[in-house]
Amino acid sequence: SQTIHQWPATLVQPVGSPLSLECTVEGTSNPNLYWYRQAAGRGLQLLFYSVGIGQISSEVPQNLSASRPQDRQFILSSKKLLLSDSGFYLCAIGGLEGGYTFGSGTRLTVV
Amino acid sequence: DQQVKQNSPSLSVQEGRISILNCDYTNSMFDYFLWYKKYPAEGPTFLISISSIKDKNEDGRFTVFLNKSAKHLSLHIVPSQPGDSAVYFCAASDGSGGGADGLTFGKGTHLIIQP
Repeated sequence: SQTIHQWPATLVQPVGSPLSLECTVEGTSNPNLYWYRQAAGRGLQLLFYSVGIGQISSEVPQNLSASRPQDRQFILSSKKLLLSDSGFYLCAIGGLEGGYTFGSGTRLTVV
Repeated sequence: DQQVKQNSPSLSVQEGRISILNCDYTNSMFDYFLWYKKYPAEGPTFLISISSIKDKNEDGRFTVFLNKSAKHLSLHIVPSQPGDSAVYFCAASDGSGGGADGLTFGKGTHLIIQP
């Protein structure tokens, strides 16, 4: 079965600092991978998706970026965090008929 | 422009009664719909789904109804239990083959089950 590992669970970072969130998956090969963000009053917002190594599509223009250096690794980064980057970040694996399996999430607070 | 709308941010229901969560969508290309349940500080978990070729899908206490003409779906939970207290997200896909461009989620409804 598919499993997702996401870390860290919580993170407090100052404004202007860099960010790196990592997501790794097991039990599947060549998955579609997604980064979502849940922010207050915004629901779940798709940030990036990837259909393969090195292939990244961005849904929302912002100061975040994503990379997929390996088949089962998906990384969310920022060079300089903004206060508005605070939120709950979720990695997900695409499944059959559009369903997802989500990771446990990272709570990011930018101070 | 929000394509999936959950107009009730919260809903309070007495334990044992029926909970009805509503969702509306605007994109007529959506052909697969899902409900996710989310507890605080956890990732959402899949609950139930329905294809646009059906109007009802049932799984235990959970039933999802789809009204394509009204572009409306609802999730019924009967009977409601305290463990059902969570945020419920409605989601839609316009590629039933596992569209790589992702699901579109509503903003969620916080269901509170009162003892």
